[in-house]
Amino acid sequence: EVQLVQSGAEVKKPGESLKISCKGSGYSFTSYWIGWVRQMPGKGPEWMGIIYPGDSDTRYSPSFQGQVTISADKSISTAYLQWSSLKASDTAMYYCARLYAESQPFDYWGQGTLVTVSS
Amino acid sequence: QSALTQPASVSGSPGQSITISCTGTSSDVGAYNYVSWYQQHPGKAPKLMIYDVSNRPSGVSNRFSGSKSGNTASLTISGLQAEDEADYYCSSYTSSSTPVVFGGGTKLTVL
Repeated sequence: EVQLVQSGAEVKKPGESLKISCKGSGYSFTSYWIGWVRQMPGKGPEWMGIIYPGDSDTRYSPSFQGQVTISADKSISTAYLQWSSLKASDTAMYYCARLYAESQPFDYWGQGTLVTVSS
Repeated sequence: QSALTQPASVSGSPGQSITISCTGTSSDVGAYNYVSWYQQHPGKAPKLMIYDVSNRPSGVSNRFSGSKSGNTASLTISGLQAEDEADYYCSSYTSSSTPVVFGGGTKLTVL
């Protein structure tokens, strides 16, 4: 069974750093892309970027380029999304999801990680 | 403002059919047959319901169907059931610098 299990909810202050994770299982982790999707309260999802764990090829949406870093450790089948300096506007639910190719849909999703940034 | 336009809400009675539209442009919906639809229940992750305009993943009920005409894609749910009450989002591959865009979502209420 394909599963993506994300790390737990986080509460941070503006300016702090954060790294959340997404562990894949039940499939060949290096044969699929992993994407990160932001969903702000009451809004539609937003495509942030994707990574191919097989060779670490990473692509970002211009809206998120330079704001976050996507990485992966294929030895432990885990992808990451990190911030170096959080802002209040980063408060949102973040999902990881699997996709076969950039043009293909997200077929399996993690349960989401709620990030709250507040002073 | 989302790149793809969906109605904010639709409703229907059990057993009826409803259709949700998703309007894009000639750079996304109109250019590619890579339109997907996701169902999201409150507090849950989205679930893929339709991909490549009209294909259903394994395990998705055949009450769900998709189509496209020009720059507008549509999701039809037939034989509405209470469990279909959720938010629905469309997405499309696009030629813009962000490869995939989503709609703002449609809340389906089963009366």
